[in-house]
Amino acid sequence: RKEVEQDPGPFNVPEGATVAFNCTYSNSASQSFFWYRQDCRKEPKLLMSVYSSGNEDGRFTAQLNRASQYISLLIRDSKLSDSATYLCVVTVIYNQGGKLIFGQGTELSVKP
Amino acid sequence: DTEVTQTPKHLVMGMTNKKSLKCEQHMGHRAMYWYKQKAKKPPELMFVYSYEKLSINESVPSRFSPECPNSSLLNLHLHALQPEDSALYLCASSQDAVAGGSYNEQFFGPGTRLTVL
Repeated sequence: RKEVEQDPGPFNVPEGATVAFNCTYSNSASQSFFWYRQDCRKEPKLLMSVYSSGNEDGRFTAQLNRASQYISLLIRDSKLSDSATYLCVVTVIYNQGGKLIFGQGTELSVKP
Repeated sequence: DTEVTQTPKHLVMGMTNKKSLKCEQHMGHRAMYWYKQKAKKPPELMFVYSYEKLSINESVPSRFSPECPNSSLLNLHLHALQPEDSALYLCASSQDAVAGGSYNEQFFGPGTRLTVL
């Protein structure tokens, strides 16, 4: 079983749609949680950190359920510019340092 | 300034060449990372430097040799690479490698696209 699993995608949605991404993680010692966005042939960019209380940034809402080891990202009123691969990421801290564990990514394509 | 810079942007090298990738950050971050990313796959961690010391090596072959000359710079020395090492090499930094929460937020450089012939 992969340490971080995401919806396989791709998601093809029209502009204005609401789209939800789901992610589960297997290591209960995971400490920090993030959504990154990666455009084709570019580096991953931090979209938002995810907290147990949930957090919202404009059209984006992220939720974390530690009991279920589940993370979600909701995008409302999707724009063409939201087309990208969305990576669910958790941090596991070891004595030597922390590692980001990436999910496989979910590709989103927003069409006019 | 939340920028991580990497040079070169592109690199083509033969299997007998020696080259180096460079990474720089001026955010005062104390943790720096090298990742390798193949097409359609997520980044794979290679090395973690914490306070200029190598803290994690993910069993990377010795033909990849990291170096951290100071807290702002990270190099990756390449020697006798194989064609399967062709990939995007990403550098990242974070405030800290061990503390949790926002201290682990990693900021990535644009990467070096490496082709080994």
